[in-house]
Amino acid sequence: DGGITQSPKYLFRKEGQNVTLSCEQNLNHDAMYWYRQDPGQGLRLIYYSQIVNDFQKGDIAEGYSVSREKKESFPLTVTSAQKNPTAFYLCASRRPGQGNQPQHFGDGTRLSIL
Amino acid sequence: AQSVTQLGSHVSVSEGALVLLRCNYSSSVPPYLFWYVQYPNQGLQLLLKYTTGATLVKGINGFEAEFKKSETSFHLTKPSAHMSDAAEYFCAVSANAGGTSYGKLTFGQGTILTVHP
Repeated sequence: DGGITQSPKYLFRKEGQNVTLSCEQNLNHDAMYWYRQDPGQGLRLIYYSQIVNDFQKGDIAEGYSVSREKKESFPLTVTSAQKNPTAFYLCASRRPGQGNQPQHFGDGTRLSIL
Repeated sequence: AQSVTQLGSHVSVSEGALVLLRCNYSSSVPPYLFWYVQYPNQGLQLLLKYTTGATLVKGINGFEAEFKKSETSFHLTKPSAHMSDAAEYFCAVSANAGGTSYGKLTFGQGTILTVHP
């Protein structure tokens, strides 16, 4: 079955450490997204990518970086510059075109500080 | 610019009772509207969407929503709640701006639905 796989499910970061969250999709979707979810705040967009080798900052990009070298993969790096990284991170993808195509989500990665 | 307001961060109903989750949006262009459900420690699952056409939209698990342009609302309802409906629900809006868009979604803050036996 097609879907979005996020790994790991749980991740712990030490002070000053960069960590990378994996997101892989086999839906043949062009667009991919990373969201951060905090209790009571909904989902906030970190980065998004419409096509390979192109990505754009979302609303809260500071302290994060991404790459899009393959259509299937959109990894997110949480850098040491992100001072409050503890959150639930969700990756999504969608078919190209108008905004009427829904986004499909992975099962998330929960990041905590050691 | 777009925004979404979900009225009520927590809603509690009895099993078998009507479920009503409220969503109001703001958009400078005609919107596309979505409802998603999230179970604990999982991703979001699409319940239903409004794009164009019929304003009453039916989704999965017996849910439906009505787009009311005059009220800028897209409330989610279900006639009879089940215990399995307990989850967090998110309303989201995407711009119908014409031409190619990035499909960016703006989410509400979520409503946690509790169902009592």
